[in-house]
Amino acid sequence: DIVMTQSPDSLAVSLGERATINCKSSQSVLYPSNNKNYLAWYQQKPGQPPNLLIYWASTRESGVPDRFSGSGSGTDFTLTISSLQAEDVAVYYCQQHYQTPPTFGQGTKVEIK
Amino acid sequence: QLQLQESGPGLVKPSETLSLTCTVSAGSISTSTYYWGWIRQPPGKGLEWIGSIYYSGSTYYTPSLKSRVTISVDTSKNQFSLKLTSVTAADTAVYYCARHVGAASGRTDCWGQGTLITVSS
Repeated sequence: DIVMTQSPDSLAVSLGERATINCKSSQSVLYPSNNKNYLAWYQQKPGQPPNLLIYWASTRESGVPDRFSGSGSGTDFTLTISSLQAEDVAVYYCQQHYQTPPTFGQGTKVEIK
Repeated sequence: QLQLQESGPGLVKPSETLSLTCTVSAGSISTSTYYWGWIRQPPGKGLEWIGSIYYSGSTYYTPSLKSRVTISVDTSKNQFSLKLTSVTAADTAVYYCARHVGAASGRTDCWGQGTLITVSS
């Protein structure tokens, strides 16, 4: 299985400031035939299911605010929230959807400083 | 808008079989683009993919649970189901049904609300 490792485990950011979450995969999730990275990001608020934010490492899901962006390739990826809002308090997970079984990072908890 | 809803008993005794059904509404399960899966989350912990199924009946399971898991589909009822045998306390979790895009392991673009299953005597 591909192991996904996120850092940090938690971070506290002031409202309006930037939040950055890193994700590293144990092997490349770049599919050479289409040059797409099979890496997704999800947001999970308490008592709710996860919500897809980003797929193919940098493609925003429909309806996701543009303050959320994804970057990276191969084994190293980043989720950036450009200007943290109160409603962004949540746990964020990366996931590789390159091969079965799809695997998730351990999660990063984002709070307001 | 597509909706997924899990149903099943919330309490299962150790060594027994956990059975859940997911009903898909406002959309057809018999769609070539999607696979239908189960993901679980132990209380306070991370996410674990259990497996998925195509409407034709092709199944894919995570290796660690493969010997205990069966996922099936009933296209006439627009439902798919999960059975997990010989459960232990370690199987206590919120179980989500979900839709995967394009592949058995595809990104998950739609989730049910989740149902807490507790394994206890």
